[in-house]
Amino acid sequence: DAEITQSPRHKITETGRQVTLACHQTWNHNNMFWYRQDLGHGLRLIHYSYGVQDTNKGEVSDGYSVSRSNTEDLPLTLESAASSQTSVYFCASSVQGAGELFFGEGSRLTVL
Amino acid sequence: GEDVEQSLFLSVREGDSSVINCTYTDSSSTYLYWYKQEPGAGLQLLTYIFSNMDMKQDQRLTVLLNKKDKHLSLRIADTQTGDSAIYFCAEGGGYNKLIFGAGTRLAVHP
Repeated sequence: DAEITQSPRHKITETGRQVTLACHQTWNHNNMFWYRQDLGHGLRLIHYSYGVQDTNKGEVSDGYSVSRSNTEDLPLTLESAASSQTSVYFCASSVQGAGELFFGEGSRLTVL
Repeated sequence: GEDVEQSLFLSVREGDSSVINCTYTDSSSTYLYWYKQEPGAGLQLLTYIFSNMDMKQDQRLTVLLNKKDKHLSLRIADTQTGDSAIYFCAEGGGYNKLIFGAGTRLAVHP
């Protein structure tokens, strides 16, 4: 069955370290998204991509970067982790032009 | 900018109806969505409504849309303990770039 997987599911890191969260989908979806979920804020869009070599900033993109070298993967990198980036991160994908997002199970990141 | 607001918590008795409300700002949204998040999991699409519709019914779920007031509601009939979850309202920005509300935590008690 096609799916979307995130790794790692849990990570603890220290302030200033670089962290990469992986997202892999096997649906061949063009659109991929990264959201963060924080209490009281719901889901906020970090970065998104509409296809290979395409990346766009969302509403909370500072301190994050993404790259899209193939259809299946959209890794999210925190160049220098900060305590404010402690959160649960969700990757999602969708078919171009359709409304449904398919979400991964989330990656819980703690920055000490 | 675009914004979606919803109340954070709702408690209902098992068997009663639940109504979760949402307001949004982007009148150009083509679709409005309800997603459900169970503990420790990602979000799953529950239902959606086209912006040119007033109502959509799907088994125990009824979605009402008031475009004039930019108000969306989700009614769950005969609420069960399995319905306990966080429910997110979302509006469809361009190219599936959804804007989510903060989520309403639904607690169902006996």
